[in-house]
Amino acid sequence: GAVVSQHPSWVICKSGTSVKIECRSLDFQATTMFWYRQFPKQSLMLMATSNEGSKATYEQGVEKDKFLINHASLTLSTLTVTSAHPEDSSFYICSAGTKSYEQYFGPGTRLTVT
Amino acid sequence: AQTVTQSQPEMSVQEAETVTLSCTYDTSENNYYLFWYKQPPSRQMILVIRQEAYKQQNATENRFSVNFQKAAKSFSLKISDSQLGDTAMYFCAFPSNFGNEKLTFGTGTRLTIIP
Repeated sequence: GAVVSQHPSWVICKSGTSVKIECRSLDFQATTMFWYRQFPKQSLMLMATSNEGSKATYEQGVEKDKFLINHASLTLSTLTVTSAHPEDSSFYICSAGTKSYEQYFGPGTRLTVT
Repeated sequence: AQTVTQSQPEMSVQEAETVTLSCTYDTSENNYYLFWYKQPPSRQMILVIRQEAYKQQNATENRFSVNFQKAAKSFSLKISDSQLGDTAMYFCAFPSNFGNEKLTFGTGTRLTIIP
């Protein structure tokens, strides 16, 4: 089956610094990738949709200048949390979409901002 | 906008028993897909089963099957012979709107299998 990797799996950073999370589709080309945020014991909240070679589409309420998304190739999308603050601490998950709406998920990244 | 509702926040069953998780949705579309995803303690999202709305036959994957009632807009997941490894959060998912591949997830059901 389709495999999506995500790196790092866990990161701690100081308040005010930036953190980059990578999402790769390992055995297929993903024209569309999605970035989610998940709070403890809650469902997935879609942050943005990333299309290869074009600007990401952000969901309402998501600050695009804070959460920078780049989809530079058909196998790589990155999420950069800029000037991170403790309230940005969360679990971030990426996925790769298919034309049949099925999504393949990465293992997630736990971000802790101190 | 499409909505997905899971009315059971938590459930628990004894190992080897059968359990059914409910999901309802709202749409004006006729042809669509529905999904159940599992998120175990590792937090890796795993596709459990998918159903295509134009197919009348309920989807089955080993011990997992769905009861798809299109007219009632209901899409429940049945887990037979439950195993300890089935302990997880289960999310029902449905396309948010058609054409951009986004999914809307339900709030989830936390399922615990008791040894």
